[in-house]
Amino acid sequence: DGGITQSPKYLFRKEGQNVTLSCEQNLNHDAMYWYRQDPGQGLRLIYYSQIVNDFQKGDIAEGYSVSREKKESFPLTVTSAQKNPTAFYLCASSIDGTLNEKLFFGSGTQLSVL
Amino acid sequence: GIQVEQSPPDLILQEGANSTLRCNFSDSVNNLQWFHQNPWGQLINLFYIPSGTKQNGRLSATTVATERYSLLYISSSQTTDSGVYFCAVPSNRDDKIIFGKGTRLHILP
Repeated sequence: DGGITQSPKYLFRKEGQNVTLSCEQNLNHDAMYWYRQDPGQGLRLIYYSQIVNDFQKGDIAEGYSVSREKKESFPLTVTSAQKNPTAFYLCASSIDGTLNEKLFFGSGTQLSVL
Repeated sequence: GIQVEQSPPDLILQEGANSTLRCNFSDSVNNLQWFHQNPWGQLINLFYIPSGTKQNGRLSATTVATERYSLLYISSSQTTDSGVYFCAVPSNRDDKIIFGKGTRLHILP
């Protein structure tokens, strides 16, 4: 089945630790996105990538980093500089980055701080 | 930048009832999407609807682009319809999709 796979489903971070959230898609989509969702809130864009080896900061990129070495993969690293990382993280993709295509989401990763 | 407002913020209904969720946006857009987030966090794309009306089973959506709003209709609600419904539109300034804050729907058995 085609889709977007996020792993792990739950992740715990210790103080000062970097953690990486995985996002893989087999939809052959060019564009991929990372969103953060806090309890009872909407979605805020962290980073997005419209093509391999290129990515742009979203609205809340501080304390996060990404890479896009392969079309299928867009991992997100939550660094120790992100002081309030507890949130639900959603990865999404679309056919291209024109904003005129449907957006599809993975099932999310819940990150908590120990 | 473009503003997206959804109403009502919360809605509690008995199973079998009908509901209408509204999405207003502050500027002209090329498209609009409706999503349902289930209680486990999964977001499902319900409609991609730049204008006009689309139907999918008990759900339908109408976008009136000239008046800058969209409506999502849910008929004969079921408990599985519970969750949060988001609308989203493309930004008019950069390469981003802007989400509303959502409508939280509770369907009581």
